[in-house]
Amino acid sequence: NAGVTQTPKFQVLKTGQSMTLQCAQDMNHEYMSWYRQDPGMGLRLIHYSVGAGITDQGEVPNGYNVSRSTTEDFPLRLLSAAPSQTSVYFCASRTGGKQYFGPGTRLTVT
Amino acid sequence: DAKTTQPTSMDCAEGRAANLPCNHSTISGNEYVYWYRQIHSQGPQYIIHGLKNNETNEMASLIITEDRKSSTLILPHATLRDTAVYYCIVRFARSGGGADGLTFGKGTHLIIQP
Repeated sequence: NAGVTQTPKFQVLKTGQSMTLQCAQDMNHEYMSWYRQDPGMGLRLIHYSVGAGITDQGEVPNGYNVSRSTTEDFPLRLLSAAPSQTSVYFCASRTGGKQYFGPGTRLTVT
Repeated sequence: DAKTTQPTSMDCAEGRAANLPCNHSTISGNEYVYWYRQIHSQGPQYIIHGLKNNETNEMASLIITEDRKSSTLILPHATLRDTAVYYCIVRFARSGGGADGLTFGKGTHLIIQP
C-alpha cells in the first residue's frame, strides 16, 4: 500500500491565485481530513469527510473548499490564496481512532 | 475531547529507555489515550493507543495509571531516529460521524543524545 499520498510537495503561489492540493489514499478508509501546520504550532483541522459525497468544516475552513467524489481522493482547493495561508498542509485518513498522515505539501503565498 | 499536559522538551541518551509523561486529569470513561509523533517536516505518525490497560507494540509501550488521569509512553531503546515531537491526545475512538479531527497541542520535543 502507498498509504496517503499528497501532491505537490512544494508550491509557491502569488496572492489571489487559486490551486488544488491533491490527496489520495489506497486503504479504503471512509474518513479523510485536511490539516494545516504553521511554524512551531500544532495541527489545525481545515475540513474533513466521513465518506464519499459528505464533507464538513473543521476549525479553520475559511478560504478553502473540499469535495469527495470518491473514497480514494480528497482534494483541497484554495480559492484566492493569501499570505496567511502560507503553511504546511497535511492530509490524513482514518480507521477507528488511528489516523494516517501524508507527507505534506509546503505552500508559500507571496 | 479532554485536554492534555506534556513537558515542552526532554533529553534521553541513545540506547536508554525514553519515558514521556502526559497528564489528562479530565479524561472521561470512554476516551482513549493516543500517542503520535512528528519527525521534523514529516507527517505525524501513529504510535500506540489504549483505554485503561497497558499496551505494547513494536514501537513502544503505553502505561496508563489506574485512575486514568495520566500516562507514560515508553520507547525501550531510544535511537537517534526517535528524535521528534511526541503528541499525547485524548479522544473517543468512534467510527461514526461528527468532528473527525485530532486536537494536537505543542507536544514534547524529545531529543536523543548520542
